[in-house]
Amino acid sequence: NAGVTQTPKFQVLKTGQSMTLQCAQDMNHNSMYWYRQDPGMGLRLIYYSASEGTTDKGEVPNGYNVSRLNKREFSLRLESAAPSQTSVYFCASSGGQPSGANVLTFGAGSRLTVL
Amino acid sequence: DQQVKQNSPSLSVQEGRISILNCDYTNSMFDYFLWYKKYPAEGPTFLISISSIKDKNEDGRFTVFLNKSAKHLSLHIVPSQPGDSAVYFCAASGVGGTASKLTFGTGTRLQVTL
Repeated sequence: NAGVTQTPKFQVLKTGQSMTLQCAQDMNHNSMYWYRQDPGMGLRLIYYSASEGTTDKGEVPNGYNVSRLNKREFSLRLESAAPSQTSVYFCASSGGQPSGANVLTFGAGSRLTVL
Repeated sequence: DQQVKQNSPSLSVQEGRISILNCDYTNSMFDYFLWYKKYPAEGPTFLISISSIKDKNEDGRFTVFLNKSAKHLSLHIVPSQPGDSAVYFCAASGVGGTASKLTFGTGTRLQVTL
């Protein structure tokens, strides 16, 4: 059972280049999320998708776009990368809150460096 | 506006002793609080959660305490083991729709020494 799979694991970009981070989950979860982790900042939500066909901005959406391709896949796109987007990106999914906390399952992360 | 705060960036504890990680929050609308553990080069993994209607939840060596009046929660690890060395994130959320998004703290790095 793979859980949440992110690709690529590492990427180096030059300022102005574009790229897409891919994420897929095999747990039949409705909700998917993209977070970024920076030193001293914790995990900050970029975008999320509560269900297939919907996407919403999180805390730090500027410079990013997302696509919920189907129930399994949620991609994050940087149209024109900037050094401030150097970070570790985590994709996560959840099955909602049927009876309690909204427990997210995370992927292993994608480390992006923008020069 | 940091709604979830972990004021201790790091903590060092001897093996076998108790580790206490603290978390404060400002949003009284939070209904659930979660702790995640993160090893280097891996994604965070869920550890334990607590509902706002409870003041304690226990799972093996891990216990979370919630003090709603103080808007404070803590994670106790007893006894601490070297494999517990990791970064611990506190997170909080409301219930339903957009409120169910998790808001994370900045993390506390726990080192358990021999």
